[in-house]
Amino acid sequence: DQQVKQNSPSLSVQEGRISILNCDYTNSMFDYFLWYKKYPAEGPTFLISISSIKDKNEDGRFTVFLNKSAKHLSLHIVPSQPGDSAVYFCAASYNQAGTALIFGKGTTLSVSS
Amino acid sequence: EAEVAQSPRYKITEKSQAVAFWCDPISGHATLYWYRQILGQGPELLVQFQDESVVDDSQLPKDRFSAERLKGVDSTLKIQPAELGDSAMYLCASSLDGRTDNEQFFGPGTRLTVL
Repeated sequence: DQQVKQNSPSLSVQEGRISILNCDYTNSMFDYFLWYKKYPAEGPTFLISISSIKDKNEDGRFTVFLNKSAKHLSLHIVPSQPGDSAVYFCAASYNQAGTALIFGKGTTLSVSS
Repeated sequence: EAEVAQSPRYKITEKSQAVAFWCDPISGHATLYWYRQILGQGPELLVQFQDESVVDDSQLPKDRFSAERLKGVDSTLKIQPAELGDSAMYLCASSLDGRTDNEQFFGPGTRLTVL
């Protein structure tokens, strides 16, 4: 049973436009959510996170929105750049289960120039 | 910039053979994680260490997998015997003290292919 779901395997966007990556979760105990980016032949790198007590967190071109009632979060990238092309993983954790991350399957973002 | 080191980067082995992976976390990081990522899936936790102690190994197939972090620094993950279904990317990550809001830093991974 997948607790973190990324239902879109891929997304294609033109350079300069907005990229929106979506993530749904089923476990209401999750209290911390993260996005990681992964290039081929590299490990995932942390991008941005949000605590369950917030509904928005912004860092430069990246904004994460959290809708707890819908158990949904999204990552917005504005403006998108070709260097943003990578696999994006949504992850979640909750203190009662320690701090290991539970990942979605990932969404491959392709930004064309 | 400090990085998590892993070796080897690639390993090809035949089923029933033994394999071992090594991870050196960022200096000073008390918490170390081993994840397995099967193609097309997200990483899944195998084992978590706090210093030299195992915190969570509930998803580790203990009949064939073992992990140790003897001095609370570097760590080794072993598979014996390897099976075809073990083909995956094995990722090591570390964080400062294992708190939920501590960033986990990942190494480049070891790509295992079992023939």
